[in-house]
Amino acid sequence: GAVVSQHPSWVICKSGTSVKIECRSLDFQATTMFWYRQFPKQSLMLMATSNEGSKATYEQGVEKDKFLINHASLTLSTLTVTSAHPEDSSFYICSARETSGYEQYFGPGTRLTVT
Amino acid sequence: AQSVTQPDIHITVSEGASLELRCNYSYGATPYLFWYVQSPGQGLQLLLKYFSGDTLVQGIKGFEAEFKRSQSSFNLRKPSVHWSDAAEYFCAVVRGGGYNKLIFGAGTRLAVHP
Repeated sequence: GAVVSQHPSWVICKSGTSVKIECRSLDFQATTMFWYRQFPKQSLMLMATSNEGSKATYEQGVEKDKFLINHASLTLSTLTVTSAHPEDSSFYICSARETSGYEQYFGPGTRLTVT
Repeated sequence: AQSVTQPDIHITVSEGASLELRCNYSYGATPYLFWYVQSPGQGLQLLLKYFSGDTLVQGIKGFEAEFKRSQSSFNLRKPSVHWSDAAEYFCAVVRGGGYNKLIFGAGTRLAVHP
């Protein structure tokens, strides 16, 4: 149980285009989902917290207009990188937390390359 | 503010040797602590967690960790390392202030020699 999926697992897009990443909790309901960014050989950096039915809360320094987050249901959150630039290339990981509890379940990640 | 320190960036051990990965936290109250493992290009898998109770916790894949309040530590151990344990290991603590966000340490990269 407690499986989180991400789609796509990798994506290449051209500079200036937008790309959407999906995060799904497959066997549980997730009121809260989190989006992280990870640079090579570095730790995870929390970008934003996504709550079902409400606006996401962004960490300091993260551009909310560039990284659009939608959490339309208890099993799906999406991250859209708008007007992508090469510096947005990174590994994006989502996690989901059950309605009650502290444990987060992580997706396998999405590698984004912007050319 | 809460923080997590993993002093060792990179550790190399021989297969079959014992392993201890260090983690120190800074948190005023009783912390909720986690160890995660990340294989190359993969997401994170939970190895074990500590919320309360017995300070020695058992996890998956033969790992255990001991919570020591006096030392603000939550070190991860394994008595005999397998080549498949080569990965990146992250210690994390729940951050207060709502949503139960995680604060991660910088990670320790484990290499295993045959």
